[in-house]
Amino acid sequence: DAGITQSPRHKVTETGTPVTLRCHQTENHRYMYWYRQDPGHGLRLIHYSYGVKDTDKGEVSDGYSVSRSKTEDFLLTLESATSSQTSVYFCAISEPRTVDGYTFGSGTRLTVV
Amino acid sequence: DAKTTQPPSMDCAEGRAANLPCNHSTISGNEYVYWYRQIHSQGPQYIIHGLKNNETNEMASLIITEDRKSSTLILPHATLRDTAVYYCIVRVREGGGSNYKLTFGKGTLLTVNP
Repeated sequence: DAGITQSPRHKVTETGTPVTLRCHQTENHRYMYWYRQDPGHGLRLIHYSYGVKDTDKGEVSDGYSVSRSKTEDFLLTLESATSSQTSVYFCAISEPRTVDGYTFGSGTRLTVV
Repeated sequence: DAKTTQPPSMDCAEGRAANLPCNHSTISGNEYVYWYRQIHSQGPQYIIHGLKNNETNEMASLIITEDRKSSTLILPHATLRDTAVYYCIVRVREGGGSNYKLTFGKGTLLTVNP
């Protein structure tokens, strides 16, 4: 989607290695979110941010950390990747009081072997 | 967020209207109904939202019952490209922090057949 970019798009990593996924936006939206999507579970919220240096946990935050040092970037880090973290990760942005709700990125497919 | 109930799957013939139902019997007075869809392997896409009045945009129409306990998303002339999972979500429209999260259920897989 225009205005929101996820990188990398695909990544294969080994169990126990650290991994960082990046979400970059050019919309100057205040809120940013990380979701994971797995078969049978749908989209689940990992962490979200409501401003620079302001973050909070979602429903599946164990094993993940996030950072937001500037408005446009929201980083998701797996400190020590496990096979259960193999998933498709989506970033989303939103701005309170706008009409259109969330805008999602194209996703990052992460495989932990 | 209030819980929603949607059928797991539906079929529709190309060119016909697709009517996707959603039950949200515990919706609160300040909660809106939002619809998103997710085409295979892509991120979810916003379609439409409403509070109590029917809404229409270039993508779809949203019909909300008078008691607000259910709604129907209408795609007036479904095409093959409308095949996707459709999510009905209720939440407060404004506010910060946890009030602004979207909680996704399993959605309805709409298959548009030629």
